[in-house]
Amino acid sequence: QVQLQESGPGLVKPSETLSLTCTVSGGSISSYYWNWIRQTPGKGLEWIGRFQNSGGTNYNPSLKSRVTISVSTSQVSLTLSSVTAADTALYYCARWDYGSGSPIWGPGTMVTVSS
Amino acid sequence: DVVMTQSPLSLPVILGQPASISCKSSQSLVHSDGNTYLNWFQQRPGQSPRRLIYKVSNRDSGVPDRFSGSGSGTDFTLKISRVEAEDVGVYYCMQLTHWCTFGQGTRLEIK
Repeated sequence: QVQLQESGPGLVKPSETLSLTCTVSGGSISSYYWNWIRQTPGKGLEWIGRFQNSGGTNYNPSLKSRVTISVSTSQVSLTLSSVTAADTALYYCARWDYGSGSPIWGPGTMVTVSS
Repeated sequence: DVVMTQSPLSLPVILGQPASISCKSSQSLVHSDGNTYLNWFQQRPGQSPRRLIYKVSNRDSGVPDRFSGSGSGTDFTLKISRVEAEDVGVYYCMQLTHWCTFGQGTRLEIK
């Protein structure tokens, strides 16, 4: 059974780079789309970007200039540069496809941007 | 960007009564492959989102049949035939036709 677990620093200073990792257990990073999504009380759920083996990476246009998603054997990583307080959010890693396969979400990791 | 607009944003419902949530997209969600990638998610308090419906009207495995989805083009609806206590939470529509965007969420509560 595939499980996802996000990890990273809970606190990041303004203007610095946020780095998060999603560790995948019980399965391999192939076929599916591997996504980062964040959630804030004010903006709700916001898709950040995705990686897919054959399709590479795609990013939300509103974040594209600051986001990088990379993949290793069992991890999907997110870096977000030049963070501000507006980047304070609960960050989720999620795996899905475009069909009947049930999406899998991690429990999320809270990130606060503050000096 | 495709904007997803849900209504209502708050939905108080009496137990056993039906509930309906609307989701409208700023452009057609019909993909070039002929599919309409409109999903519905439920997020219970303190939990990650869980998908209920995919491609407009297909229920995910384990989802009670009181949940149903319908619609086409730019207008979509999630219906709960008889609300139960475990249905409390926030419901989101989400489209995958043009990258990915979510609706603002509809908070369902028991009246």
